[in-house]
Order: sequence, then structure tokens, then C-alpha cells
Amino acid sequence: AQSVTQPDIHITVSEGASLELRCNYSYGATPYLFWYVQSPGQGLQLLLKYFSGDTLVQGIKGFEAEFKRSQSSFNLRKPSVHWSDAAEYFCAVGTANTGNQFYFGTGTSLTVIP
Amino acid sequence: DAGITQSPRHKVTETGTPVTLRCHQTENHRYMYWYRQDPGHGLRLIHYSYGVKDTDKGEVSDGYSVSRSKTEDFLLTLESATSSQTSVYFCAISVVGVGSPLHFGNGTRLTVT
Repeated sequence: AQSVTQPDIHITVSEGASLELRCNYSYGATPYLFWYVQSPGQGLQLLLKYFSGDTLVQGIKGFEAEFKRSQSSFNLRKPSVHWSDAAEYFCAVGTANTGNQFYFGTGTSLTVIP
Repeated sequence: DAGITQSPRHKVTETGTPVTLRCHQTENHRYMYWYRQDPGHGLRLIHYSYGVKDTDKGEVSDGYSVSRSKTEDFLLTLESATSSQTSVYFCAISVVGVGSPLHFGNGTRLTVT
């Protein structure tokens, strides 16, 4: 069965520091992988996506993620965090079966301290 | 902006009453989804649709039904609301199909008292 694990429930970083949010997935075929960000009271906004090809993908707001098939991981990174990056981050895997279903991790809450 | 409108944005209802949430899209996309979001659970799929009158269950479909009589509207009904259905409900659409990302509405906060 498909699943997504985000091992870190909450992360605190200082503004200007680097960030890495972890995501591991379980899926039998080639996955479609996504990272979303959610600000309080808002819907989810797509940060970036991986379908195939280059395993390092660039997204909006200076984020990037690297797909590592051998580790079943798709970690999100940002070299220098801004206070406005404080939000909830969700990793998701999309499947190719009927209905184009998506499976989400439980999220990582990011706090940025000045 | 994927043109997704959810209504109502907030609702308080009593246990045992029926509730219908509406998702409206302006882009004519084929795939539509209903998710619920709860602390510690992330987003869980309730039902989804891959065309008019074509719907299927997700992982947490018990107590919910859906209908899609027009491409643009996807309705989620709680037949008899329970306190365990207090949640934030998100509608999403998939722009192209397989492999395309989801685009979300702003959510409906439902409280069942």
C-alpha cells in the first residue's frame, strides 16, 4: 500500500539558517512526488513536483527537493530560511491508478525564530 | 489560481443533522477530490470523482456521500453528522490527470456539536 512518512512533526530553525524537511514514501512503481505548503487558515499551495528526469527539482520561494530512489526519499531543502516560511509542509505521492489518487504525509510544522 | 470555490467557509451544525458542502470549479477539470484535514493525520481522501456521475471512495468514506451531476460542481454530504466529522474539509482538482498535481480550495471548517 502507498504511504508517505514525514518523521519530523515540528522543526524550529533560525532565520537565515538552512532547512531540510524529510519525506519517505512507499510505492511500488515510479512515484509522482509533491511538496505543499499551508499557511494558517489557508489551503495548500504547491511548492514543487517530481515526475521524472532530473532528480533535483526547483520550486517556488527558493525551495528545492531531491528524489533518491534508493532511499525512497524526497527531502525538501532551502538554503536560507525567511520568517515568512513558517508554515505547515506536506509531502505527497501521486499514483497512476484510476482516479489519480494522492497520499499525504502527516505534515511538518516549521517555526522560524529571529 | 485554479478557480476553486468552497462553500460555506464555516459551518456549525448539530449531531444528527445532514450537511452538504459544495465545491465549484471554473476550469472544467475532470478530476475532483474531497479531503479532510485533522491534526496528526494530515490530509485523508474521502471521495473523488473522475467525471460526471463517476465517483469512488477514498480511505475515510464512511458516513459521507458525494454527487457530481455537473463537471463544475462536486458535493459532499454528511448524511447524519457526528462529532468525529468535525474537521476542515478541502476540495481539490487535478488539472490534467495522471501525474498532475492537486490544486486546493481554501477549505470549509465544519464543527459538529
